[in-house]
Amino acid sequence: AQSVTQLGSHVSVSEGALVLLRCNYSSSVPPYLFWYVQYPNQGLQLLLKYTSAATLVKGINGFEAEFKKSETSFHLTKPSAHMSDAAEYFCAVRGFDYKLSFGAGTTVTVRA
Amino acid sequence: NAGVTQTPKFQVLKTGQSMTLQCAQDMNHEYMSWYRQDPGMGLRLIHYSVGAGITDQGEVPNGYNVSRSTTEDFPLRLLSAAPSQTSVYFCASSLGRTGPNQPQHFGDGTRLSIL
Repeated sequence: AQSVTQLGSHVSVSEGALVLLRCNYSSSVPPYLFWYVQYPNQGLQLLLKYTSAATLVKGINGFEAEFKKSETSFHLTKPSAHMSDAAEYFCAVRGFDYKLSFGAGTTVTVRA
Repeated sequence: NAGVTQTPKFQVLKTGQSMTLQCAQDMNHEYMSWYRQDPGMGLRLIHYSVGAGITDQGEVPNGYNVSRSTTEDFPLRLLSAAPSQTSVYFCASSLGRTGPNQPQHFGDGTRLSIL
């Protein structure tokens, strides 16, 4: 069975600073990895996905993630935070059984 | 396209009552699933379906039933509501034929309170 662990339930950054959200996965097969964002009182929106085509994946809103097999990690970054990036972010992994397993989530606050 | 539509958006129930949360998608997706979201626990899979007539249990299925009579609809039934089922419920769908690399599309959620 596959699972993900998100390190840090809350991250606070200054506007313009680097955003780094950590995700480590556990999977017995090559994983399909996803990052989703949830704005208050809304559903989840796909930020990006890793499907083995490239280790550096670019997503929407300036986010990107790097797949590192040796570290079993899929960390999410954005070079310069914007106030609109305040949200909750979820890392998720999906196996061949199609089940999607989520991390506990990381809430990002952006300070002016 | 409407995507994934969930109704109702809010609901308050009394302990012991039953109700059905509706989910419909118009993208002809084979795979549909229900999650519950609780603070600090992420989203947990309740039930899922890989196509019409096929359903299976997820991580937290107790107290919930599902059926999939059409490709479009995947209702979630609470048989006898309990306070522990107070949560936000999300329905999601994705293509199935092209593999598990397809992302899931989520509805806006149903906020359910059990008194």
